[in-house]
Amino acid sequence: GAGVSQSPSNKVTEKGKDVELRCDPISGHTALYWYRQSLGQGLEFLIYFQGNSAPDKSGLPSDRFSAERTGGSVSTLTIQRTQQEDSAVYLCASSSNFGNEQFFGPGTRLTVL
Amino acid sequence: RKEVEQDPGPFNVPEGATVAFNCTYSNSASQSFFWYRQDCRKEPKLLMSVYSSGNEDGRFTAQLNRASQYISLLIRDSKLSDSATYLCVVNMGTGGFKTIFGAGTRLFVKA
Repeated sequence: GAGVSQSPSNKVTEKGKDVELRCDPISGHTALYWYRQSLGQGLEFLIYFQGNSAPDKSGLPSDRFSAERTGGSVSTLTIQRTQQEDSAVYLCASSSNFGNEQFFGPGTRLTVL
Repeated sequence: RKEVEQDPGPFNVPEGATVAFNCTYSNSASQSFFWYRQDCRKEPKLLMSVYSSGNEDGRFTAQLNRASQYISLLIRDSKLSDSATYLCVVNMGTGGFKTIFGAGTRLFVKA
């Protein structure tokens, strides 16, 4: 079956622009996660959705970051007024429920010039 | 103190060696535990789940010690293809639902 997909695979933007990253989870997975991985670094947890709601948004780095999920499926991560330090690979994962095995998408590589 | 800490590595071992990775976590209410593997410039993939009773899958054995808040991964008879970064993962369901990945331990297996 189809795995987790993310789009775009690569995004180059100018400092100060807004970007929107998309994640399509595995069908039927109620839990969806966003992470950020800077070059040579570990994964930084950003946010988790159970259905359409996010119980804890404290992992988002700043108020420029927001995320939503609609229909218990697709999720978008929006970064407003991008900064160079936002450059990283943004990974999305889904699982059948929180705490179960997570399946990752290929990530979106964001470069802010 | 980091919520999940791993051996810093890297580990350089010859083919056929046995290698052990260690991981500690700080939140005693953590719910579930995993080892993931990440190849260079790829997404992480599940290696195995970790249970108190131990979990073995071929050359790989994982163990959880809840009392000591400690997780281990043992790889026997290392292969060149085992070269990767190994990530310890802890799911916390209280005080905020979140998944914490350790920084990872890089393994190089050499012929």
